[in-house]
Amino acid sequence: IAGITQAPTSQILAAGRRMTLRCTQDMRHNAMYWYRQDLGLGLRLIHYSNTAGTTGKGEVPDGYSVSRANTDDFPLTLASAVPSQTSVYFCASSEAGDTGELFFGEGSRLTVL
Amino acid sequence: GQNIDQPTEMTATEGAIVQINCTYQTSGFNGLFWYQQHAGEAPTFLSYNVLDGLEEKGRFSSFLSRSKGYSYLLLKELQMKDSASYLCAVRDRDYKLSFGAGTTVTVRA
Repeated sequence: IAGITQAPTSQILAAGRRMTLRCTQDMRHNAMYWYRQDLGLGLRLIHYSNTAGTTGKGEVPDGYSVSRANTDDFPLTLASAVPSQTSVYFCASSEAGDTGELFFGEGSRLTVL
Repeated sequence: GQNIDQPTEMTATEGAIVQINCTYQTSGFNGLFWYQQHAGEAPTFLSYNVLDGLEEKGRFSSFLSRSKGYSYLLLKELQMKDSASYLCAVRDRDYKLSFGAGTTVTVRA
């Protein structure tokens, strides 16, 4: 049972390059999320999707885009990477319902030089 | 939006009890979560409170007071493996989760 799979695990990227972080879940959860985690700032929501075909902006959406063509996949794209986007990126999913706990992927460590 | 505050660091001795406080201000409260995150790993779910009171789950308990915008996570009988970061998170009416910066707990022998 994979749960949530993120790729790549780690990447070094030149500033100005385009990058897509992939996220796939096999739990058939409706909602998916992208967070970035930076030292001292905790997890900050970038974009989210409550169901396939819909997306919404989180706390720090600038410089990022997402799509949700189907239930399982939720890629995050950096159109033109900048050094301030150096971070650890976590994809997460949840079921609708009372607890709605988030299940996280293992993270993608991105370094923009 | 959400404003979530928790202490940056705490240190405790193996076998002891530690209480991690979390205060929040929110425009629409729909539940409070605690997550555990070991260094270099993904966060994992610990507890959930939506009504006032105490929820107990083994060595871990979580308390919520909605009127005070306050929660705490209580870790009892501390073990070395409990050394980790503990994240307080508040869910809004749109089911989005906002996280505090996390509290790093160090357990010493």
